[in-house]
Formats: sequence, C-alpha cells, structure tokens
Amino acid sequence: GDSVTQMEGPVTLSEEAFLTINCTYTATGYPSLFWYVQYPGEGLQLLLKATKADDKGSNKGFEATYRKETTSFHLEKGSVQVSDSAVYFCALRMTGNQFYFGTGTSLTVIP
Amino acid sequence: DAEITQSPRHKITETGRQVTLACHQTWNHNNMFWYRQDLGHGLRLIHYSYGVQDTNKGEVSDGYSVSRSNTEDLPLTLESAASSQTSVYFCASSDGVRNTEAFFGQGTRLTVV
Repeated sequence: GDSVTQMEGPVTLSEEAFLTINCTYTATGYPSLFWYVQYPGEGLQLLLKATKADDKGSNKGFEATYRKETTSFHLEKGSVQVSDSAVYFCALRMTGNQFYFGTGTSLTVIP
Repeated sequence: DAEITQSPRHKITETGRQVTLACHQTWNHNNMFWYRQDLGHGLRLIHYSYGVQDTNKGEVSDGYSVSRSNTEDLPLTLESAASSQTSVYFCASSDGVRNTEAFFGQGTRLTVV
C-alpha cells in the first residue's frame, strides 16, 4: 500500500548548518507530496508541496524536489536558524482523499 | 479567513467517562480526519469522513466514534475513556482535489486519569 518512510530523529544542528531530512515514498500511482512543520504546542502547517515529478517546492528557505526515479522528496535548507526547531512531517496524497504521513523528524537548532 | 478549530485545547477526564472532542471547519471541505499523535508513533488515523453522513474507521478506531451531521463538524467521542487514550488529538480537513493539502487544527491534549 501507499506509505512514507522518513528519516528518524532527533536531529540536532548548530545554527547556520545545512539541513537534510530524508523522505521516501511507496505509491501505486503518482502522488502529491508535502512537507509539514509542527512547532511546539501547535498543529501541523504546510511548509511546501510538489504535485508532479521534478517539481520543486520551496518556502522560508526550505526546498524539496519530487524525484520519481528514486521515489524521494528530501527536505533541505542551506542555513538553519534556531527558529526552525520543530518537528517535520513528510506526507503523500494519492488520487483518493487519504493522506499518508511519515513518523516525523524532530529538529533542534542550537545557537 | 477560513479556519479549523478544536475544543477544548486541554482536557483531563477520568477512566470510564465518555468524552467528546469538537472539530469545526469553515473551509467547506468535504473531507475531515481525526488523528492521534504519540511519541514514537507519529500521526495515526482514528476516523475519517468524506461527506455528510459518511464515516470510516482508520487504523486505531477501537474505543472511538464519530458522526457527521453537517459539513462543518466532526466530533470525536471516546465511549469509555482509558489511560491508553491519553494523547494529543488533531483534526484535519481537505477538499477533494489531489494536489491540495490538508489543514490542521491546533490540537486537543487529553489526559485520562
């Protein structure tokens, strides 16, 4: 069935370090892919998305490219800030109405 | 602006009591979902609905029920609260278009003592 596998955390980085959080998916068709961010005590909010192969989603300095050949959607940021400390979820949506979420990766950025 | 709201934000209840968590959205979305979030498990789907009068079980539905009498609301009921149901609960909604995202509420932290 459809599923998302996400890099396990927690991840701790120093401020201005490069961030990569890996996400791979299994799907029978062509899903839309999403990254969500959850700040402490809050709900999930959309960070970026890509709806077809080779699309690149970007927002707030974060980027992810929809790679159909490797079934991946890795999240990257060139220089993280303390304010980026949060839990990040990769998700996919198929033609139907269901969303499939990864288990989340906790990121802590230290000054 | 359209939004999705959950209430209460925090609740403490006793084992065996019936509890209802509210979810209200003004996006006019047909799809609504309930998840629970626990450390080490990520988000797990409890119940979902694709429209009025439609409800479906998710992967962890035992002990929970939902009803959908209108587009805006999907209340989640714990029939007889158990300590294993202590968790953070999130409601979400989406439309029927494949490339659009789900919108989440702020969550309800439920403690069963």
